[in-house]
Amino acid sequence: DAKTTQPNSMESNEEEPVHLPCNHSTISGTDYIHWYRQLPSQGPEYVIHGLTSNVNNRMASLAIAEDRKSSTLILHRATLRDAAVYYCILRLGSGNTGKLIFGQGTTLQVKP
Amino acid sequence: GAVVSQHPSRVICKSGTSVKIECRSLDFQATTMFWYRQFPKQSLMLMATSNEGSKATYEQGVEKDKFLINHASLTLSTLTVTSAHPEDSSFYICSAAGVPPKEAQHFGDGTRLSIL
Repeated sequence: DAKTTQPNSMESNEEEPVHLPCNHSTISGTDYIHWYRQLPSQGPEYVIHGLTSNVNNRMASLAIAEDRKSSTLILHRATLRDAAVYYCILRLGSGNTGKLIFGQGTTLQVKP
Repeated sequence: GAVVSQHPSRVICKSGTSVKIECRSLDFQATTMFWYRQFPKQSLMLMATSNEGSKATYEQGVEKDKFLINHASLTLSTLTVTSAHPEDSSFYICSAAGVPPKEAQHFGDGTRLSIL
């Protein structure tokens, strides 16, 4: 499984944008980039995913580099409820049966 | 609302007991479910892939006789920790896909297992 590298932790101020980086230099052509987040004592929550083009949904935006070796999850206005561990994961192929291999993720702190 | 339900949310039992954890997909069918384990301050570790109507696929290093997985219907997978010992104490989480977007995995809220 291709590996991702994320900073261990980041801080943000409430109501400011947050850019969470992820490096995946060994990504293959069929790997999708997935982002999940986990709040304390809960299961992870799907945030967003993409292949080549930038993606937007109600939760966040995903900016994917042209060479696909890195990506950035963008939270447009951080709230205290966005404080969580954010995981960037490469998943082989599309469909709903591919497994997810979690790395260490980025712990995001949001300051009021 | 939640699309994957896990039960129980917490269990405390004595060493040597077998413990069953249920994972249900709500209002959708899941031919594939996944089981993870998470120790404090660590990331999730994939244990096995549960396949409806067939044997589970275990990740390397996970004892299949210790962690029994049954996926007898399209909405239910169970994980049984057999003869549990204190080192099996952990946060166990399941996931399933089937609600749009189809590539998204939906996770249960986890089961905190404590073996005394």
